Amino acid sequence: TQLLEQSPQFLSIQEGENLTVYCNSSSVFSSLQWYRQEPGEGPVLLVTVVTGGEVKKLKRLTFQFGDARKDSSLHITAAQPGDTGLYLCAGTGAGSYQLTFGKGTKLSVIP
Amino acid sequence: EPEVTQTPSHQVTQMGQEVILRCVPISNHLYFYWYRQILGQKVEFLVSFYNNEISEKSEIFDDQFSVERPDGSNFTLKIRSTKLEDSAMYFCASTRDASGANVLTFGAGSRLTVL
Repeated sequence: TQLLEQSPQFLSIQEGENLTVYCNSSSVFSSLQWYRQEPGEGPVLLVTVVTGGEVKKLKRLTFQFGDARKDSSLHITAAQPGDTGLYLCAGTGAGSYQLTFGKGTKLSVIP
Repeated sequence: EPEVTQTPSHQVTQMGQEVILRCVPISNHLYFYWYRQILGQKVEFLVSFYNNEISEKSEIFDDQFSVERPDGSNFTLKIRSTKLEDSAMYFCASTRDASGANVLTFGAGSRLTVL
């Protein structure tokens, strides 16, 4: 069974600070996705990474896939209150299309 | 922007009752999924569906669960005899292709409460 561990589970920071959220596994993933989920809504895809070492940027968000495709990170620069939410990582294994989700990181950005 | 729609948004039922959750995937998508999220826990895969048959299912998806695409637009999840532990948010998702980097579009979810 593939598992994804996210850390930290909760993060509360001041507006303008930088932060990094981690997603780790002992398993290799074919692809890894980051989602953001608001209360009462379904996860919304932010990015997909598929190549070991890949880095993708989405405005102030930087996503990195580990060289061995076992881990990933999400870095937010100059966090804003609008970044508040639950960030989920999810991966697909070889030969499977099902997503394995982490438990998520609940981010609060205080104005 | 196209979206996946789910109904009902919230259903309360008695233990042992049958429940059907409905989903309308994005019209040109071919692969359909059900996930669930028990309160405070991670999102868990239930089943994937393509070409009118189940392509993958998890251990959670036992004989009490079934899926169907009764017409060209709806995709349903049926729980035959609900248990207390079936209380969760159920998310439908769809995607156009089945590549490893498939872009899933999730619905807003149906909250099921079993009393």
